[in-house]
Amino acid sequence: DSGVTQTPKHLITATGQRVTLRCSPRSGDLSVYWYQQSLDQGLQFLIQYYNGEERAKGNILERFSAQQFPDLHSELNLSSLELGDSALYFCASSVEPDGGAPLHFGNGTRLTVT
Amino acid sequence: GENVEQHPSTLSVQEGDSAVIKCTYSDSASNYFPWYKQELGKRPQLIIDIRSNVGEKKDQRIAVTLNKTAKHFSLHITETQPEDSAVYFCAVSGGSYIPTFGRGTSLIVHP
Repeated sequence: DSGVTQTPKHLITATGQRVTLRCSPRSGDLSVYWYQQSLDQGLQFLIQYYNGEERAKGNILERFSAQQFPDLHSELNLSSLELGDSALYFCASSVEPDGGAPLHFGNGTRLTVT
Repeated sequence: GENVEQHPSTLSVQEGDSAVIKCTYSDSASNYFPWYKQELGKRPQLIIDIRSNVGEKKDQRIAVTLNKTAKHFSLHITETQPEDSAVYFCAVSGGSYIPTFGRGTSLIVHP
């Protein structure tokens, strides 16, 4: 167990809808990363938060947004969903803000857009 | 930003053989190089990592080597077993860069 909790495990929704993915980082970790993994694809970086502030942004679509709350849990909001958004979304946490420490991944949320 | 290339994309070996996966990176300021193993349908998990002040690190059947001059690092798995079958990702980070992952290597170990 990595100590990182992601909910829900599975989401099935229709095109045009909006969903929220939730992540609770490992105790003591201030940094939260969101990655997208499509079928047979690698891990695409979406966004990073550190201690409540956005720290880095990857190729995140404008339809996607995220935030980190005072209790350090994070939410990833995906709106106007398209078929191509179907993927496995991972949250990872770390003790450091600059990537110089291991990432601890949650079990992921599998999103299916129909 | 950082650019990470990982080869090969697929590696098929017989049980007991060795496996080597190589990654190259572009920014000499990068200083942390972890490897993650992802079994089918599961989360990536750290298996070994190395920092830029070390040339080699070993943990039982797994080792990582780093060549800072050439900007590449490799994962070595000896005496492979069927349970080593998974997708392996290298990553590069440190300095001002967020962790950037290679595209992954699917390792298949045939009994």
